[in-house]
Amino acid sequence: GNSVTQMEGPVTLSEEAFLTINCTYTATGYPSLFWYVQYPGEGLQLLLKATKADDKGSNKGFEATYRKETTSFHLEKGSVQVSDSAVYFCALITGYSTLTFGKGTMLLVSP
Amino acid sequence: NAGVTQTPKFQVLKTGQSMTLQCAQDMNHEYMSWYRQDPGMGLRLIHYSVGAGITDQGEVPNGYNVSRSTTEDFPLRLLSAAPSQTSVYFCASSSNLRRASGNTIYFGEGSWLTVV
Repeated sequence: GNSVTQMEGPVTLSEEAFLTINCTYTATGYPSLFWYVQYPGEGLQLLLKATKADDKGSNKGFEATYRKETTSFHLEKGSVQVSDSAVYFCALITGYSTLTFGKGTMLLVSP
Repeated sequence: NAGVTQTPKFQVLKTGQSMTLQCAQDMNHEYMSWYRQDPGMGLRLIHYSVGAGITDQGEVPNGYNVSRSTTEDFPLRLLSAAPSQTSVYFCASSSNLRRASGNTIYFGEGSWLTVV
């Protein structure tokens, strides 16, 4: 079956620090990969996605590259802001357009 | 364009009560699904539907019932609420993501359910 493993949080950073949140996956077939973000008290927002190997998804300064050889989709940002504090979910999709999520990684950014 | 609409946003139930979480989408999407979110567990799939009249179980279906009589609506029924069903519930919809790489999954804003 499909599974997604994310690094456990919370990840605590100072403003302007470099961010990496690791994500690896196990899937049958050729999944599409996603990062979702959830701000406190809110629903899920799509942050970025990649649909095939070597694709790079990017949005709001965040990037992630679909690495088939290492089955990874690590999220990176060069300089985080306090407003980036949220929970980040890595997810994949195969088959019937339903998502398999990682457990989420909380990011806390201090001024 | 309303997207995916979930109601209610907050609900408190007593153990043993039944209720229905409503989900409606106005994008003519084929695929709809329900997830629950619990601390440290991420989101887990409860039930999903690939079109009107077709539903199937996800990872955690026990205690929940669904139906899909129209393309637009996909209600989730709790038959006899238990404290273990205290959670945040998200409805989602999409077209067939395999047909067009530009498509994405749209989520509702969530329903916070507490069972006491």
